[in-house]
Amino acid sequence: DAGVTQSPTHLIKTRGQQVTLRCSPISGHKSVSWYQQVLGQGPQFIFQYYEKEERGRGNFPDRFSARQFPNYSSELNVNALLLGDSALYLCASSLGPGDGYTFGSGTRLTVV
Amino acid sequence: EDQVTQSPEALRLQEGESSSLNCSYTVSGLRGLFWYRQDPGKGPEFLFTLYSAGEEKEKERLKATLTKKESFLHITAPKPEDSATYLCAVLPHTGANSKLTFGKGITLSVRP
Repeated sequence: DAGVTQSPTHLIKTRGQQVTLRCSPISGHKSVSWYQQVLGQGPQFIFQYYEKEERGRGNFPDRFSARQFPNYSSELNVNALLLGDSALYLCASSLGPGDGYTFGSGTRLTVV
Repeated sequence: EDQVTQSPEALRLQEGESSSLNCSYTVSGLRGLFWYRQDPGKGPEFLFTLYSAGEEKEKERLKATLTKKESFLHITAPKPEDSATYLCAVLPHTGANSKLTFGKGITLSVRP
């Protein structure tokens, strides 16, 4: 069984640019959550989607947006990148909100 | 607001030297407490979910326990391959979304 798949694995962007990160959940899982993990810290909640609708948003600026597609895959978009956006971006899937969360390997974003 | 505090921040053990990792939490009604293992540059790997005080779960050299205020991850006779960062997270009952609140993690190093 394929786990949670994230792409790309690594990305280098320049300040001010825009980036799109992608996530494919485990087959049958309808909920996708996004987390940001800065070096030395625990993951911080960004968004949760369930059945293609936003179910929650963390304390992140409007430069961060996301969506979930009919096949339950998801994209996270970040506009006007700042140096402080450099982090490991994690996607977690679950059957539904509150069920067990399985994380992908993440996308390492470096903003220069 | 939900809070998770993990201690110590780092722990160095000799192979075979048993110890415990602590996770203290405050949450508005606990739905579940999660333990994850994270290797450098990778996503968190699920270990355990605990739901109610008094519950215990075991897996190989690891045993997780839960009280109303804290959880412990006991490591018995650790091996070098147990070296990783261990993350604790809580999931509250309340709210439309189901976001995990993580601690900063405990970095465990086991010397041969």
